[in-house]
Amino acid sequence: DGGITQSPKYLFRKEGQNVTLSCEQNLNHDAMYWYRQDPGQGLRLIYYSQIVNDFQKGDIAEGYSVSREKKESFPLTVTSAQKNPTAFYLCASSILDATGPPNYGYTFGSGTRLTVV
Amino acid sequence: KQEVTQIPAALSVPEGENLVLNCSFTDSAIYNLQWFRQDPGKGLTSLLLIQSSQREQTSGRLNASLDKSSGRSTLYIAASQPGDSATYLCAVCGSGNTGKLIFGQGTTLQVKP
Repeated sequence: DGGITQSPKYLFRKEGQNVTLSCEQNLNHDAMYWYRQDPGQGLRLIYYSQIVNDFQKGDIAEGYSVSREKKESFPLTVTSAQKNPTAFYLCASSILDATGPPNYGYTFGSGTRLTVV
Repeated sequence: KQEVTQIPAALSVPEGENLVLNCSFTDSAIYNLQWFRQDPGKGLTSLLLIQSSQREQTSGRLNASLDKSSGRSTLYIAASQPGDSATYLCAVCGSGNTGKLIFGQGTTLQVKP
């Protein structure tokens, strides 16, 4: 079955440590996205990528970094510069129409819950 | 800057009721609007997608409408069931070629047996 796989499901980070969240999709989708969700709030965009080897900052990119070396993979690194990283992180993908934004809906992964210890 | 608001924040209804969830957005220049469902601690499941040129979409007991000029969308759930209990999120995709979604804060629905 096609879908998006996020790992790990739970992640614990010590102060000053960098951690990487994995996101893999086998849907052959062009675009991939990372969102952050805090309790009682909607999702906020961290980074997105429309093609391999290219990505753009979202609304809250500070303290995060990404790479897109393969179409299927879009890992997110939470660096020590991110002062409040405890949150639920969601990865998503979508098809990109050549003429504009996606005509098709998003597919989301099941999320990674990151906690600072 | 696009802002998306969902009202109410929480809703509790008895099983069998028909209900309406509301979503409003400040910039009518959208490409599409999507409704998602999120169960506690889980990812998002896409329910309905309405393109900017469409007025409504239906899937089973769900019907979503879109009025771009007034910046509003509603999600209608017919004959609610306990299994419908979840958080429902509305998101708009702006007219720029990015595919970025702007989300509302969600409506948490509880359907009591």
